[in-house]
Amino acid sequence: DAGITQSPRHKVTETGTPVTLRCHQTENHRYMYWYRQDPGHGLRLIHYSYGVKDTDKGEVSDGYSVSRSKTEDFLLTLESATSSQTSVYFCATEEGLAPTYEQYFGPGTRLTVT
Amino acid sequence: AQKVTQAQTEISVVEKEDVTLDCVYETRDTTYYLFWYKQPPSGELVFLIRRNSFDEQNEISGRYSWNFQKSTSSFNFTITASQVVDSAVYFCALSGNYGQNFVFGPGTRLSVLP
Repeated sequence: DAGITQSPRHKVTETGTPVTLRCHQTENHRYMYWYRQDPGHGLRLIHYSYGVKDTDKGEVSDGYSVSRSKTEDFLLTLESATSSQTSVYFCATEEGLAPTYEQYFGPGTRLTVT
Repeated sequence: AQKVTQAQTEISVVEKEDVTLDCVYETRDTTYYLFWYKQPPSGELVFLIRRNSFDEQNEISGRYSWNFQKSTSSFNFTITASQVVDSAVYFCALSGNYGQNFVFGPGTRLSVLP
C-alpha cells in the first residue's frame, strides 16, 4: 500500500461550478497521474506530472487543469463542470527506481455533475 | 496515434483452467512501455506489470506470465490454473518513453467459475 488517498471520494455538483479533486501520496513518488473511467470509453489519461510544477496533458485534458506545488499533492480542477465530466476519477503514482517498477492507484473519486 | 486493442471482450473459464488475454498495440515510437492492470469487481485498480519495448524477455510471476512479441506487436497475458479471485477486468496499456500518449485498451472481462 503506497498511501495514496483521494478526496473527496464522492461528490455531486451542478453544471458550471468549479470542482477540485485532490490526490495525496506519502511515498515521495515523482510521477503522478489523473485518469477518468467511463463506461464505453474505458480508462483515459487526463494529465500527468513528472515533478513539482512539471505537468503535461494526456489524452482528454480539455476542460481540466492540474497543479502540483508539492511532491505529495496533485490537484485536478474542473473550472466549470459539465455533465460530460461525470465519471470516476483515479489518481496514480509511479515508482520507477530500477530494477523495480510499481504503480499505485488511489481508491477513486466518483463525481456526478447534474 | 497510439492504439491498444483487446479483442476479447469477455472470457469465461472454469477454475484451474489456463487462460490467455490478448493485447495488440500500435505505435510509431521506437521506445515505449506496455502495461497490464487488473480491476476486480470492487473497483480498485491494480498494476500488474510494465515492460520496456527493448526487453522482449517473457516474464513470469507466480501464476501470471506475459509474452511480449515485437514482431506481432502483441503483449499477451496468461493466467495459469485460474482461480475465482482472478475474476476481474484486465486492461492492457501503452505509453511513450516519458509517459506521454498513455492509452488503455478497452479491457477484457474475465470470469472464473468455480
